[in-house]
Amino acid sequence: EVQLVESGGGLIQPGGSLRLSCAASGFTVSSNYMSWVRQAPGKGLEWVSVIYSGGNTYYADSVKGRFTISRDNSKNTVSLQMNSLRAEDTAVYYCARDRAYSSGWYVVYWGQGTLVTVSS
Amino acid sequence: QSGLTQPASVSGSPGQSITISCTGSSSDVGAYNYVSWYQQHPGKAPKLMIYEVSNRPSGVSNRFSGSKSDNTASLTISGLQAEDEADYYCSSYTSSNTLVFGGGTKLTVL
Repeated sequence: EVQLVESGGGLIQPGGSLRLSCAASGFTVSSNYMSWVRQAPGKGLEWVSVIYSGGNTYYADSVKGRFTISRDNSKNTVSLQMNSLRAEDTAVYYCARDRAYSSGWYVVYWGQGTLVTVSS
Repeated sequence: QSGLTQPASVSGSPGQSITISCTGSSSDVGAYNYVSWYQQHPGKAPKLMIYEVSNRPSGVSNRFSGSKSDNTASLTISGLQAEDEADYYCSSYTSSNTLVFGGGTKLTVL
């Protein structure tokens, strides 16, 4: 059974840094595309970042240069390092497993999410 | 990275059918068959309902169906049930190797 468990969320001041982690079970992270998707309170879903099985990474314009996605194959985890945090980064962050083809991909499985609150 | 356009809300009575539209561009919806639909109940994680425009994952009711024409995808729910009341989001792969979501549609079952 596929399971994704996020951790690392919390309250952080503007300008601060936070690292989210996603522990996967039931499949191998390194063989899959993995994404982070966020949802601000009362708002819609916003795709944040993806790491391909081959290691390529892509980011939404809103987080490019501030967020970094990575994975630890030995621990079967995916992480999102978030720097220079802003109030508008406040959201529930979901870890997701994607289904990928040579011509595209999409989110299939979702974790339960972890809340990040950026506030002074 | 503009989001896909969905109606903010739709409603229908039990047993009726409703359709939610999702309009993108020639760089996302119009260019790829990687359009997905997600259902989200309050306080819960999204759930995949339709993938690759019109395919249903195992366990999803056949009352849910998807289609696409040019830059617009659609989700149709037939035989509305109270449990269908939720937020629905479309998404599409884009030519920038990213994913884009719609703003979401709140479905109310009257």
